[in-house]
Amino acid sequence: DADVTQTPRNRITKTGKRIMLECSQTKGHDRMYWYRQDPGLGLRLIYYSFDVKDINKGEISDGYSVSRQAQAKFSLSLESAIPNQTALYFCATSDILETQYFGPGTRLLVL
Amino acid sequence: GESVGLHLPTLSVQEGDNSIINCAYSNSASDYFIWYKQESGKGPQFIIDIRSNMDKRQGQRVTVLLNKTVKHLSLQIAATQPGDSAVYFCAESSLRGSTLGRLYFGRGTQLTVWP
Repeated sequence: DADVTQTPRNRITKTGKRIMLECSQTKGHDRMYWYRQDPGLGLRLIYYSFDVKDINKGEISDGYSVSRQAQAKFSLSLESAIPNQTALYFCATSDILETQYFGPGTRLLVL
Repeated sequence: GESVGLHLPTLSVQEGDNSIINCAYSNSASDYFIWYKQESGKGPQFIIDIRSNMDKRQGQRVTVLLNKTVKHLSLQIAATQPGDSAVYFCAESSLRGSTLGRLYFGRGTQLTVWP
């Protein structure tokens, strides 16, 4: 079984719709992250959380929100999706030693 | 084969050759570095890491070299195999200060291994 899972794996939505991407982990890590990947731009950090009561903005948080429902669950929401949010989204987890472990990704297309 | 990750985003090598993927980092305060491998359709996978108190670290067929003087990081893959074909990212972090726990990624280098 995968240590970091993401649902859905693929999603097509329309401009203005609200959507949620979910991430679960079984590694027991306190720290969780959401990244966005665009061609040629590498991975950019959207939000991160160091424990259940901690939420921090990353480089590109505008247009996104997150919820840390439990140690193992961290969800990313797009309140009103727009086409330039079309991208590949990754969740990651880490322990205090900093190495981050990534999920398989969610491919999002906003029409 | 050799590449500079930020300026030559592709590297093609023949199976069995050694590969060298380079990365320049910008933050002199960074003291922790990681190489990730990303295969098509998958998330980045941890390969090897190195802390700033070291200049070399070896894994299975991979070696990471760190030159803090010129802020340069490299990943060497010995006897490159077709399964090594992927995009390779370097990432930097600081184990202290306000950016603790955050990784900053380079843009990646596409490694293609041909028979």
